[in-house]
Amino acid sequence: GQNIDQPTEMTATEGAIVQINCTYQTSGFNGLFWYQQHAGEAPTFLSYNVLDGLEEKGRFSSFLSRSKGYSYLLLKELQMKDSASYLCAPVDSNYQLIWGAGTKLIIKP
Amino acid sequence: IAGITQAPTSQILAAGRRMTLRCTQDMRHNAMYWYRQDLGLGLRLIHYSNTAGTTGKGEVPDGYSVSRANTDDFPLTLASAVPSQTSVYFCASSEEDRVTGELFFGEGSRLTVL
Repeated sequence: GQNIDQPTEMTATEGAIVQINCTYQTSGFNGLFWYQQHAGEAPTFLSYNVLDGLEEKGRFSSFLSRSKGYSYLLLKELQMKDSASYLCAPVDSNYQLIWGAGTKLIIKP
Repeated sequence: IAGITQAPTSQILAAGRRMTLRCTQDMRHNAMYWYRQDLGLGLRLIHYSNTAGTTGKGEVPDGYSVSRANTDDFPLTLASAVPSQTSVYFCASSEEDRVTGELFFGEGSRLTVL
């Protein structure tokens, strides 16, 4: 079956760095998305990785290792507004997103 | 402002009633999707449409139906609502049916079935 595993909740301090890991097993693979979702709001796009390696976009970076079925989202210089859930979603062989349950990130002052 | 509009934002519904959640996009995207989001679970695909005139079943289609008469509109209908359909429903769209680009989401419709 298809499976996505990411921590349920993480806590970090304002100004620090946090890494949110995601491991996945899917039937086929056509890239992996990370989305941010604030409480009570819609998910918003953060990144899409299709090749191995690190992609940096401002304070956020996303890493992919296809051979290990592993990705992480790295958030630097954390701000209070980064408190949200972070959703990992690989794309399977049918080009459908398989969504993880999300990691709730709590930022403390 | 371009994007996806969902209605209603929130609704309380008696079990057995029929309900249609509306979704309209103005980005001329080919593909549209309906997801439900429940606490502790990932987004689950209910139905999708790759282009106007076509629809397909997702992971959890039972009890739901959709139509795609034109590019912009993708309504989701619950023919006879049951309490297990209490959830937050998100409509989304993407430019192409093969999702290799950003998925755009509506603000969600919170449905409570009593």
